[in-house]
Amino acid sequence: DIQMTQSPSSLSASVGDRVTITCRASEGIRNDLGWYQQKPGKAPKRLIYAASSLQSGVPSRFSGSGSGTEFTLTISSLQPEDFATYYCLQHNTYPQTFGQGTKLEIK
Amino acid sequence: QVQLVQSGAEVKKPGASVKVSCKASGYTFTSYYMHWVRQAPGQGLEWMGIINPSSGSAYYARKFQGRVTMTRDTSTSTVYMGLSSLRSEDTAIYYCARDLAAVGDYWGQGTLVTVSS
Repeated sequence: DIQMTQSPSSLSASVGDRVTITCRASEGIRNDLGWYQQKPGKAPKRLIYAASSLQSGVPSRFSGSGSGTEFTLTISSLQPEDFATYYCLQHNTYPQTFGQGTKLEIK
Repeated sequence: QVQLVQSGAEVKKPGASVKVSCKASGYTFTSYYMHWVRQAPGQGLEWMGIINPSSGSAYYARKFQGRVTMTRDTSTSTVYMGLSSLRSEDTAIYYCARDLAAVGDYWGQGTLVTVSS
């Protein structure tokens, strides 16, 4: 199985900060990766698909990059509604696998 | 518009089985695979498996093989996830999600399954 190692597991930041979350795949997955945001009590919502494509309706402060084994999600200027938990998901190979999650908290 | 509507919450005893449904609408049911993802309380997301609604073939994560069965009913555009030999660790919210590799992002509202004696 492909392991997705996500870091950091938690992050404290302030409104307006730039933050970066990383996912590392245990083997190459091309660009078959999505980034999800989840708020308490809600289903996950995809922000980025194909590693770097912005999902329709998602603010442009979110961006993704990477290919192969290293991927990043960047939020350019944190807004209050961005405090949530973020996950990466590889869909290159079965079983598809999520990263462990990054909880983004207000400093 | 695309909608995935899941069945309601369930409470089961250890050793029992559960079957969660996910009714799709707003698109051609057989054109997109359906995934099942679960989330235990306070934990991360866990991918369980996938079903091809057109053929009925399914792939299950190794952890669930032997206990999970994913099926579909094309006449009602509904997919089902059955989980047997339930234990307390299966207490979780179970989500269906349409084709996680496709451009669109559609999830059911989630179904809480509680396993308790």
